[in-house]
Amino acid sequence: DIQMTQSPSSVSASVGDRVTITCRASQDISSWLVWYQQKPEKAPKSLIYAASNLESGVPSRFSGSASGTDFTLTISSLQPEDFATYYCQQYKSYPYTFGQGTKLEIK
Amino acid sequence: QVQLVGSGGGVVQPGRSLRLSCAASGFTFSSYAMHWVRQAPGKGLEWVAVISYDGRDTEYAESVKGRFTISRDNSKNTLYMQMNSLRDDDTAEFYCARDREQLVLGDAFDVWGQGTTVIVSS
Repeated sequence: DIQMTQSPSSVSASVGDRVTITCRASQDISSWLVWYQQKPEKAPKSLIYAASNLESGVPSRFSGSASGTDFTLTISSLQPEDFATYYCQQYKSYPYTFGQGTKLEIK
Repeated sequence: QVQLVGSGGGVVQPGRSLRLSCAASGFTFSSYAMHWVRQAPGKGLEWVAVISYDGRDTEYAESVKGRFTISRDNSKNTLYMQMNSLRDDDTAEFYCARDREQLVLGDAFDVWGQGTTVIVSS
C-alpha cells in the first residue's frame, strides 16, 4: 500500500496568514493526489485534484504543487472559513490512502 | 443539483449485519464509479471500497475484504454496502462519494454524501 505522510498534524495561524501543508507519498504517485477540506460534522470537500488543479468554485487563495513524491497545499491568505481539517489522498492505486490530516486552528 | 444521500446506519451488535444505501440524483449515476469512505470517531478518513460504473469491477480495503460487499442498482440510482460480521472497530461515519470522471475506475472524489452513522456495540 502507498503511505501518505502529512505534516504538520496541527497548525495555529491567524486570519491573513499564509499556511503550507505538506504530504509525502511513500512511492511515485505522479500527480494522482487530491486535497480535501473537512469541517466538523460535515463531509469532506474537494479543493485540489491532480495535485494542482483547483476544483470549480474553490477560492484562488488555495493552490497545490508537487515535487517528486512531495505535495504541498498552500492557503495564501487565511480567511475565517478556512479553519478546518485538511487531508491529502492518493488515487494512483488501490487501496486509496489518506494522510492523517492537518487541523488548522485559529491562533 | 448533484446530490448523494446516505442512509441505513444505526446501532448493531457485534457479529450482526447492516446494509447502507446511497441515493444519487442530479447526474447520470450509471456513468460514474462510486466509493465508500469511513471515518471512525475523532479519526481520519479511510477508503473502504469502490465499484465501477457498470458494477462489474470492485476493490476493497483489506480491513473489510470478505465481510463487506459493495453493489449498485443503476435502475434505481442507488449504491449499497452490505456489511456482515460487524466488529467494534467498524464503528464510523460512512460516506459515499463519486469519481470525478465518467466511465473510469479510479479517480479523485468530487461529490460526497452527508454520511450515515454506524455504531457497533453490544
